[in-house]
Amino acid sequence: DQQVKQNSPSLSVQEGRISILNCDYTNSMFDYFLWYKKYPAEGPTFLISISSIKDKNEDGRFTVFLNKSAKHLSLHIVPSQPGDSAVYFCAARRNAGNMLTFGGGTRLMVKP
Amino acid sequence: DAGITQSPRYKITETGRQVTLMCHQTWSHSYMFWYRQDLGHGLRLIYYSAAADITDKGEVPDGYVVSRSKTENFPLTLESATRSQTSVYFCASSELETQYFGPGTRLLVL
Repeated sequence: DQQVKQNSPSLSVQEGRISILNCDYTNSMFDYFLWYKKYPAEGPTFLISISSIKDKNEDGRFTVFLNKSAKHLSLHIVPSQPGDSAVYFCAARRNAGNMLTFGGGTRLMVKP
Repeated sequence: DAGITQSPRYKITETGRQVTLMCHQTWSHSYMFWYRQDLGHGLRLIYYSAAADITDKGEVPDGYVVSRSKTENFPLTLESATRSQTSVYFCASSELETQYFGPGTRLLVL
């Protein structure tokens, strides 16, 4: 039973436009959410996070939105750049311990 | 170099052989984790450790053994490798919510 789901395995966007990556979760005990970015042959790198007490967190071109009632979060990248092409994982943490549950990932391709 | 390292980066082995993947971190983080990444499954937790000499199972622990005698090291052993263990393995460490990942070990079991 996947508690964190990324329903779009891939997304293609034109350079300069907005990229929106989505993530749904089922466990209401999750209290902290993170996005990771992964390039081929490298480990995932932390991108941005949000606590469940917030509904938005912004860092430069990256903004994460959290809709707790819908159990949904999204990552917005504006403007998208070719270097943003990577696999993006969303992850969620329960309010006990440091363990994360990851979604299956979305491959973003930003076309020049 | 500071950070988290994994070795080897690539490994080919045969079914039934024992394989150990190494993970080393220089941050003195309390928590360390082992994940495997497979197509369609994202990152799945194999084992984790909250401190030296404290380890616990994750989502997919069968066929794997871990130990943590020192804070900075967290080796993962496949006692008798199977083809289903062909995967990319990532080690991570954390002190708080954010986990920091190593570069990964690509393992092929023939």
